[in-house]
Amino acid sequence: KQEVTQIPAALSVPEGENLVLNCSFTDSAIYNLQWFRQDPGKGLTSLLLIQSSQREQTSGRLNASLDKSSGRSTLYIAASQPGDSATYLCAVLVNAGNMLTFGGGTRLMVKP
Amino acid sequence: NAGVTQTPKFQVLKTGQSMTLQCAQDMNHEYMSWYRQDPGMGLRLIHYSVGAGITDQGEVPNGYNVSRSTTEDFPLRLLSAAPSQTSVYFCASSYYPVTDTQYFGPGTRLTVL
Repeated sequence: KQEVTQIPAALSVPEGENLVLNCSFTDSAIYNLQWFRQDPGKGLTSLLLIQSSQREQTSGRLNASLDKSSGRSTLYIAASQPGDSATYLCAVLVNAGNMLTFGGGTRLMVKP
Repeated sequence: NAGVTQTPKFQVLKTGQSMTLQCAQDMNHEYMSWYRQDPGMGLRLIHYSVGAGITDQGEVPNGYNVSRSTTEDFPLRLLSAAPSQTSVYFCASSYYPVTDTQYFGPGTRLTVL
């Protein structure tokens, strides 16, 4: 059974700092990996999707990498801002039909 | 586009009551799914559908029923609510999950007393 782990569970940084969130998964047979953002009391917003054949994806200040063989992904956030404060979730697609397996999330707080 | 919509936003039920959580999307997505989010357990898949008339079970399907009569709608039915079903429920849709992102609704917060 696929298991997804995110470390750390919570992170507090000063504004302007570059930071890395980690995600690991136990089974490398995935179709893709996605990073989501969740604000308190809200739904999930997709940030980046990395296909299994890709190594990284970038969107603005965000960069996500994928190393399937080692079962790891990282989300790099450059020049963090207070507006980046949220919970970040990674999820892997384990079958083509729609089954996402989620990690427990990293709760990020960026202090002004 | 309204995206993925869910109703109601909040609901309180008594043990044994039944209800239907509504989910609709206007993006012509074939793939739709229901997740529940619980503290310490993360998001877990309940049921999913790959198109109208086709549904399948996810990780935690017991106590829930789904049907997909149209592309747009994917309701989730609680047959006899139990306190263990207290959770936040999210509906998601995607054009083709392997290559396309999944869009999530705002969620329904359900409390079963």
